[in-house]
Amino acid sequence: EAGVAQSPRYKIIEKRQSVAFWCNPISGHATLYWYQQILGQGPKLLIQFQNNGVVDDSQLPKDRFSAERLKGVDSTLKIQPAKLEDSAVYLCASSHTYSGRTTDTQYFGPGTRLTVL
Amino acid sequence: GNSVTQMEGPVTLSEEAFLTINCTYTATGYPSLFWYVQYPGEGLQLLLKATKADDKGSNKGFEATYRKETTSFHLEKGSVQVSDSAVYFCALKGQGNLIFGKGTKLSVKP
Repeated sequence: EAGVAQSPRYKIIEKRQSVAFWCNPISGHATLYWYQQILGQGPKLLIQFQNNGVVDDSQLPKDRFSAERLKGVDSTLKIQPAKLEDSAVYLCASSHTYSGRTTDTQYFGPGTRLTVL
Repeated sequence: GNSVTQMEGPVTLSEEAFLTINCTYTATGYPSLFWYVQYPGEGLQLLLKATKADDKGSNKGFEATYRKETTSFHLEKGSVQVSDSAVYFCALKGQGNLIFGKGTKLSVKP
């Protein structure tokens, strides 16, 4: 079974530029998550999708971050414009759903390391 | 709100030493508890989990027991290897989302 795929693995941009990250979850996983992991900290949830609907985006800085999952499979996270403090690893994860309930176990991709100069 | 506190690192051990990484939590209700591991350059991998009090999760020689009375989920391994060098994250999931501790970096020297 293929794992969660993410691209690119690394990205360096200057502040005020825009950037986009892509994620393809494990096949059949209805729930997809985006996390931000700042160096030395644990991952923090940015947004959770179930199929193509948003379940929780309460911690997404909506003035500059956006995410979509139009067909309920892969997803894109965008930052526009980027700030220095957005330097972090952006992790995508997915989990299975049974009878509408999301299971506890999340499977993570390798992440995208963003450096904002 | 829910939170996880784990011991600060880095932790440096010699090969075959005993490992304990402490984790305590604050939560309402009965959360599920997890340990995730992050090897250098890789994403997080689930190491083990426990879903109710007194459950013991185990995998790859690692163990952790869900202790409700002490709100703890300490990670242990009897004999660590160089290949166990990684960052270990304790996490909980209650009614809301997965909440992680800050991580503990483990380095094992030959």
